[in-house]
Amino acid sequence: GENVEQHPSTLSVQEGDSAVIKCTYSDSASNYFPWYKQELGKRPQLIIDIRSNVGEKKDQRIAVTLNKTAKHFSLHITETQPEDSAVYFCAASMANYGQNFVFGPGTRLSVLP
Amino acid sequence: ETGVTQTPRHLVMGMTNKKSLKCEQHLGHNAMYWYKQSAKKPLELMFVYNFKEQTENNSVPSRFSPECPNSSHLFLHLHTLQPEDSALYLCASSRNSPPSYNEQFFGPGTRLTVL
Repeated sequence: GENVEQHPSTLSVQEGDSAVIKCTYSDSASNYFPWYKQELGKRPQLIIDIRSNVGEKKDQRIAVTLNKTAKHFSLHITETQPEDSAVYFCAASMANYGQNFVFGPGTRLSVLP
Repeated sequence: ETGVTQTPRHLVMGMTNKKSLKCEQHLGHNAMYWYKQSAKKPLELMFVYNFKEQTENNSVPSRFSPECPNSSHLFLHLHTLQPEDSALYLCASSRNSPPSYNEQFFGPGTRLTVL
């Protein structure tokens, strides 16, 4: 089955700097890769996703890149702000009937003022 | 609010008790999920239902019993739990059809403590 690894487990950056979180997956059949953000005491929420037919996707300060050959994908946050502080989870799945996500262990991002 | 509600929000139970967690989605989705969130495994998929049919059971112990009477409601029946089952139990739902068929919407969770 699918196995998703995520690094680093914790990340601290100064406000305004960039943050990068990396994930690797094992199943080459996976073709959908979402990123979820979970603020303290709140539910996970989708922030961006990418499908295997795309190499990069951007939404304002957030971008995701995918390398299918190497089976890794990354989340990039630019101009970080204190409200970006949260736990970020990557996931991998096959975008077909039934979305059985396999989540990574999460990265706790702290943006220091 | 994401349109997914869970009750109760907090539950304390003894190992011999029987309780149930409830999830309801108001989004017209046709797939629902139970996740366990703990310090050891932050987001662990337990059960998946598509169109009320269980399609996934990730080796979950039989002391957890899911029930999906319709595509809007999902239950997790608990009995003879162990202290290590203490965790946040999250429910989620998704559309499973284009265009946004992949996004899972999570409920607020039930914080379960087993004494």
